[in-house]
Amino acid sequence: KNQVEQSPQSLIILEGKNCTLQCNYTVSPFSNLRWYKQDTGRGPVSLTIMTFSENTKSNGRYTATLDADTKQSSLHITASQLSDSASYICVVSTDSWGKFQFGAGTQVVVTP
Amino acid sequence: NAGVTQTPKFRVLKTGQSMTLLCAQDMNHEYMYWYRQDPGMGLRLIHYSVGEGTTAKGEVPDGYNVSRLKKQNFLLGLESAAPSQTSVYFCASSTRGGKNEQFFGPGTRLTVL
Repeated sequence: KNQVEQSPQSLIILEGKNCTLQCNYTVSPFSNLRWYKQDTGRGPVSLTIMTFSENTKSNGRYTATLDADTKQSSLHITASQLSDSASYICVVSTDSWGKFQFGAGTQVVVTP
Repeated sequence: NAGVTQTPKFRVLKTGQSMTLLCAQDMNHEYMYWYRQDPGMGLRLIHYSVGEGTTAKGEVPDGYNVSRLKKQNFLLGLESAAPSQTSVYFCASSTRGGKNEQFFGPGTRLTVL
């Protein structure tokens, strides 16, 4: 069973609208949580990285939140653009050297 | 800076053939990783390296071998390809310690017939 679960699996949103993606994890111990954006046919690109003590981190129109107590994270996309169409992957790191557990990703499609 | 590059981008093999995927990074990163990505699943770690001359098994190492003879290069070998190894392979690198931000290559799409 995957220790990092993402929801929804996919979603379609209108350009200009906001959306929120969810990530629940059971990974332990916890070092940090990161969100990646993966465009079709490309490698993942880091959006945010949060440690245990950080409960929110922004990168432009992307805002990630982390509740380490409930082991939940969310990624909020504000004023979506067509270029936001991609897969968004939640990744939890379990130790300091970089052992990672990847979620299956949420496929976001932004339509005009 | 080219970042992380992978060679080749696409490859089709017949069952039983062998091949080597090359990953190169120019960021002087200590850590390098090989992952595979299959539909509906998260990236899974095949092998990793924490420094030149060292390698270790990840989550799904069977059927693969790796070598890290130079700090900037990490090679992934398939000795006898099987259809189950049809996948997209990603290489990544990161610094040692801290938040270990990973930088990924563009991927290699491998089909085994």
